[in-house]
Formats: sequence, structure tokens, C-alpha cells
Amino acid sequence: SQQGEEDPQALSIQEGENATMNCSYKTSINNLQWYRQNSGRGLVHLILIRSNEREKHSGRLRVTLDTSKKSSSLLITASRAADTASYFCATDESDFGNEKLTFGTGTRLTIIP
Amino acid sequence: EPEVTQTPSHQVTQMGQEVILRCVPISNHLYFYWYRQILGQKVEFLVSFYNNEISEKSEIFDDQFSVERPDGSNFTLKIRSTKLEDSAMYFCASSEAGARQPQHFGDGTRLSIL
Repeated sequence: SQQGEEDPQALSIQEGENATMNCSYKTSINNLQWYRQNSGRGLVHLILIRSNEREKHSGRLRVTLDTSKKSSSLLITASRAADTASYFCATDESDFGNEKLTFGTGTRLTIIP
Repeated sequence: EPEVTQTPSHQVTQMGQEVILRCVPISNHLYFYWYRQILGQKVEFLVSFYNNEISEKSEIFDDQFSVERPDGSNFTLKIRSTKLEDSAMYFCASSEAGARQPQHFGDGTRLSIL
């Protein structure tokens, strides 16, 4: 499998429910970031978690990172119709911190009103 | 809130022609990136640019591609001798401090090669 694979590939839930998406990666990382992409738009940064952090919160978002399992999860609580989008994890593996992000395959989230 | 802007939003070009995609990064950012996303696929890194030079490039970024920061505000991606497989969304991004800080993305240029 490739660096940064999310599962599930697609998720449909009722508005108000919680949505959980998972990301696995293969190499050592400096940080892991989650981005949202609405259809036809650019990526919007949601949250960054560093390799020495285990959990981070931002509003309705909760991200966990388990470096021993090389995995991360994104939880969106109390989902809203506006949360419908694709969600990508991205890892920074660089030695110098100025290079690329490697994106996962994404989870397409649909919130049913 | 400052944002990254990209022009044009959609570019249609005949195969073999050259295209220039333009980006205006956020003004106080120092790191600039181009990514592409072929329809239905993941976002792929092309190149990063810092201190007026390329800091890293992917295997995709071959001699067909070049980047330039011609002035203090614009950041361009040039694709020479375009091929059908160059059709994709091209995203510009910028960051204050490399990949260890959030990258801010533009809305992309949809490039269609005919």
C-alpha cells in the first residue's frame, strides 16, 4: 500500500452523527496534517499534529496519532451538511521541513440531512 | 484572511503547446509548492521552491516543467510541449515555514489538453 491511505474510501452518515476516518502511513514522519476538499475546490487545512503529540482538538475535530502503528484518525463530531467533502491526510517526512507533503487517497464523506 | 490565488481557473490547450499557470502566494510566506491532481486520484507533489530555487522535485517534474518567481508576488509553473496526460487540476500552495506548518492552497487551475 502507499504512504497515506485513508479508510473508508467513502462514508455516508446522518446529520448529527459522528464521522471517523482513518489514515495509515509507512515511513517516519515529522507531522501529519488533515485537509478537506470540497468538490472542485482547493484543499483547506484542518489540523496539524506533530509526531510527539498523541491527540489534538480543534472545534468539532479530534485527531489522534499513533506513531507505533503509523496511523491517525480524524473524528468529526455532530456532523453537519456542510461537512460533506473529501478528507485527506498528508504526511511530512522531510529532514529539513521545507519539502513536500505526501497525500493519502482520501475519504469521501457525505452527510445526509 | 489572506489566500492563495491562481489564474486561470480553467485552461484549454492543444497538445504540444506550452502553458503557464500563475499563482500569487500569501505575501509573507516563504515556501511555495505545486501539486497536481488527476481526476479521481490523489494529490501529487510536483515541486517545492524556497529562497528562489527549487528545494525538492518529484519524478513527475521532469524537463518539461519549470517554475519561476519572476517578481515578489507571482509564482508560475510552465509546462512545455503539453501531453494528454498532463490534463489535471494544478494546485499552488504556500507556507510560512515549510512542511512543518500548514500549507495554504489555491483553488487550482483545471488544465485540459486536447
